[in-house]
Amino acid sequence: RKEVEQDPGPFNVPEGATVAFNCTYSNSASQSFFWYRQDCRKEPKLLMSVYSSGNEDGRFTAQLNRASQYISLLIRDSKLSDSATYLCVVKNGANNLFFGTGTRLTVIP
Amino acid sequence: NAGVTQTPKFRVLKTGQSMTLLCAQDMNHEYMYWYRQDPGMGLRLIHYSVGEGTTAKGEVPDGYNVSRLKKQNFLLGLESAAPSQTSVYFCASSYLGGRGNEQFFGPGTRLTVL
Repeated sequence: RKEVEQDPGPFNVPEGATVAFNCTYSNSASQSFFWYRQDCRKEPKLLMSVYSSGNEDGRFTAQLNRASQYISLLIRDSKLSDSATYLCVVKNGANNLFFGTGTRLTVIP
Repeated sequence: NAGVTQTPKFRVLKTGQSMTLLCAQDMNHEYMYWYRQDPGMGLRLIHYSVGEGTTAKGEVPDGYNVSRLKKQNFLLGLESAAPSQTSVYFCASSYLGGRGNEQFFGPGTRLTVL
């Protein structure tokens, strides 16, 4: 079973729409959770960490449900520049990150 | 600051050839990592280092060796390349390995093994 599972998409949404991505993880002892963004043929970059109480950064909201081992990312008022692949990332133990395969988002004018 | 840099950006090898990928960071980070990214697989950790002179195996270490002789550099070696090692290789670094410490990635090396 994969450590992290995501719906690969693609999600095609119009500008201004709200879109949500989900991710599940298999290790109940996982300690830290993140969303990374990866543009086409570029390196991943941290979008936001995910905290137990949920957190928001502008148009982006991340939620964590430890009981269901589930992480979500909500993007409101989608912009063309939001088009990218969003990687769900889970940290187990001290150092190792486990990456989901990514969910591809295309925002359409 | 250049951040994390990788050389080369692209390389084509024949089966059995060897090569070394170089990663350099100028952020004085303790931790460095090598990942590979394949379609449908996500990024997978090959090896990592928690400091100068130390290395450890990640999820998919077979066929690779690493060295961290200087804090700012982390080298990934392929002794005898195989077609299964065709991939995009990303190096990353972080200040520490603990909770919430962001990993900064290099631009990647696209390797094709024929």
